[in-house]
This record gives sequence, C-alpha cells and structure tokens, in this order.
Amino acid sequence: KQEVTQIPAALSVPEGENLVLNCSFTDSAIYNLQWFRQDPGKGLTSLLLIQSSQREQTSGRLNASLDKSSGRSTLYIAASQPGDSATYLCAAGAGNQFYFGTGTSLTVIP
Amino acid sequence: DAGVTQSPTHLIKTRGQQVTLRCSPKSGHDTVSWYQQALGQGPQFIFQYYEEEERQRGNFPDRFSGHQFPNYSSELNVNALLLGDSALYLCASSWASLANYGYTFGSGTRLTVV
Repeated sequence: KQEVTQIPAALSVPEGENLVLNCSFTDSAIYNLQWFRQDPGKGLTSLLLIQSSQREQTSGRLNASLDKSSGRSTLYIAASQPGDSATYLCAAGAGNQFYFGTGTSLTVIP
Repeated sequence: DAGVTQSPTHLIKTRGQQVTLRCSPKSGHDTVSWYQQALGQGPQFIFQYYEEEERQRGNFPDRFSGHQFPNYSSELNVNALLLGDSALYLCASSWASLANYGYTFGSGTRLTVV
C-alpha cells in the first residue's frame, strides 16, 4: 500500500526566506505527483502537477521536483510571503486515486 | 469556467441520521472522486465514479455510497451517521485518466455529527 510522508509537519520562517518542503512515497509506481495548498477549513488548490516522466515543474515562485527512483518530491518556495501561509499537501497518483500525506503547515512571519 | 461545485458548504446532523452531499464537476471533466479529510489529516479516498459506475473504492464501509448522473454530477450518501464521520468531504473531478490531468478539487462540505 502506498504511504506518503511529509516532513516537516510544521514550519515557521521569516518573510523573504527560501524554503523546501519534502514529500516521500513508498511505491515508485506512480502516474504523477500533485502539490496542493489548503487554507484553514477550505478545499484544496492545485499548485503543481508533475507527470511520472517529468523531473520538475515550475510556476512563479514555486518549483517542484520528482525523483521516482528514490520516492521523493520537493516543493521549493522562493522569497516567501505572509500570503504563502497555509498547509501544503503532496499527493501521489496511482491507480484511480491519489494518496495524500498529512501536510506541512507553513507560517511566514512578516 | 466554473470549477468544482459542492453543496452544502456546512451541515450538522445527528448520530444515526442519513446525509447526502452533492458535487458538480468542472466543465469538461467526466470523472468524480470523493475524499474524506478528518481534522489534521490528509484526505482519504472514498470512491471514484466514471460513466455512472463506481470504478474504485477505498477502505470505507458500505454505509458510504454514491451515484453519478448522466451530466457527470455526483452524490455521496452516508447512512447511520457516526460521530467519527465528522469531517471535511471533498469532491474532485478529472478527465478520464488520472495519469494525464490530475485533480481539481471543490471547496468541500464540512459535516458535523452530534
């Protein structure tokens, strides 16, 4: 069974810092990996989707990488802003479902 | 272009009651998946509907059932509600193959069982 782990569980950084969120998965037989943002009590907003044949995807200040062989993905956030404060979830796509981690709660301090 | 729409946004039910949650997928999407997210946890897969049939099911009891209509919208039904069913219920839509397009999620329905 696919297990997805996210480290750290919580992170607090001053505004302007660059930061890295980590995601690991146990089964490398995935179709893709998707990073989401979730604000308190809200739904999920898709940030980046990486297909299994790709190594990375970029959108603005966000860059996500995928290493299937090692079962790892990272989300890099450049020049963090207070508006980036949220929970970030990674999800590994396999079969007809996504397997989610429990998320990293990010707080960016002004 | 409307995204995924879920209704209602909040719901309070009594233990033992039944509840129906609704989801309209993003325009152009034909596959609907339902997830349960308990407080502080990642979403857990309940089931997926495609061509009006349940295509795959997660580790949830038969009290959880669903339906997909010809217009691709979907319902999630939960019978004999338990306190532990309190959670955020998320609907996600996609186009045919998860492998190609990933998911678009709705804002969720917050269910509280008292």
